[in-house]
Amino acid sequence: SQTIHQWPATLVQPVGSPLSLECTVEGTSNPNLYWYRQAAGRGLQLLFYSIGIDQISSEVPQNLSASRPQDRQFILSSKKLLLSDSGFYLCAWSFKGTNTGELFFGEGSRLTVL
Amino acid sequence: AQSVTQPDIHITVSEGASLELRCNYSYGATPYLFWYVQSPGQGLQLLLKYFSGDTLVQGIKGFEAEFKRSQSSFNLRKPSVHWSDAAEYFCAVGRTNTNAGKSTFGDGTTLTVKP
Repeated sequence: SQTIHQWPATLVQPVGSPLSLECTVEGTSNPNLYWYRQAAGRGLQLLFYSIGIDQISSEVPQNLSASRPQDRQFILSSKKLLLSDSGFYLCAWSFKGTNTGELFFGEGSRLTVL
Repeated sequence: AQSVTQPDIHITVSEGASLELRCNYSYGATPYLFWYVQSPGQGLQLLLKYFSGDTLVQGIKGFEAEFKRSQSSFNLRKPSVHWSDAAEYFCAVGRTNTNAGKSTFGDGTTLTVKP
């Protein structure tokens, strides 16, 4: 069966510090990968998606970047965090091919920027 | 561009009562529609999905949803709510077949269950 791991679960960082959130999928190969952000009381906003290694698309302009150095690894980064980067970040994956569109989510990473 | 509206931010129901959560979408083609559930501090889990065919779809945990094209709605229902159903519920619409994973989510409905 497939699993998705996301870490760290909680992070408190000062403004201007760097960020690295990691996500790893197991039990499947060549998945589509996604980073979503969930602001308090709001739905999910798609930040990045990837269809393969080093193939990243950004959905919204922002202070963050994403990388996919390996097939099942997806990293969300920032060089200098802003207060507005605070939120709950969710990594997700989906199948390719028939692509039913179902997303499988990690447990999330809560980022607080102070 | 597609959009999803969940008109109810917060709903409270008594345990054992029926539940309906509303979802309206805007999309130019046949939509891929989803309902996800999120427990506090957790990721999201898929409850059910609609792509085509029978407009009444069954999901996990006793949930069902009905697609009504004429009303652009995909409401979630459950005949008898359990205390463990308290969570946040998100409706989502997927894009084209090849990009269905790039879903647009509603703002969610928080469900509280009274004993």
